Amino acid sequence: AQSVSQHNHHVILSEAASLELGCNYSYGGTVNLFWYVQYPGQHLQLLLKYFSGDPLVKGIKGFEAEFIKSKFSFNLRKPSVQWSDTAEYFCAVNKYGGSQGNLIFGKGTKLSVKP
Amino acid sequence: GAVVSQHPSRVICKSGTSVKIECRSLDFQATTMFWYRQFPKQSLMLMATSNEGSKATYEQGVEKDKFLINHASLTLSTLTVTSAHPEDSSFYICSVSTAGSLEAFFGQGTRLTVV
Repeated sequence: AQSVSQHNHHVILSEAASLELGCNYSYGGTVNLFWYVQYPGQHLQLLLKYFSGDPLVKGIKGFEAEFIKSKFSFNLRKPSVQWSDTAEYFCAVNKYGGSQGNLIFGKGTKLSVKP
Repeated sequence: GAVVSQHPSRVICKSGTSVKIECRSLDFQATTMFWYRQFPKQSLMLMATSNEGSKATYEQGVEKDKFLINHASLTLSTLTVTSAHPEDSSFYICSVSTAGSLEAFFGQGTRLTVV
């Protein structure tokens, strides 16, 4: 069965530190990949997505992710985090690798940024 | 992105009663809606996919007679938890997508507590 693994449950960083959150998926076919962010008390918001083309994807708020097909990975990065980046981050893949929105999510990584 | 509204945001009900959760797409023709459930410290798990005017497709292990889904229009889908039990207490989230879209938009979720 398809699955998405996020390696870190909770990451604590100081402001201006660099961030990398790991995400690996298990699916051998074509995939669409997503990173969502959930700020405290708010709904899930799309950070960035990969469908095809350039494997380095840039999203909102200075986030980027790199799709490495050989490693089945889609890690999220940000060069310098801010306190306002404190949130929970979810990696997701289309369940059937198709064009619908049904997603398989990782368990999420909680990011705490200390001012 | 689309604006998706869920109601109620929180609900407490007695064991044995039924609860209806609404998911509205305010500015978007939602041909497809997805219902997820999230247990504490767990990932979002897809429960079912519903296409407007059709019966919902349930994921393995999800009881269709317990979680009734209605998607009668392009702007509204409802999830009814019938004869709720404490183990049904969870966070329920809907997302919406439209035909041919590779992206889905999420509601803010409904926290259900069954006492």
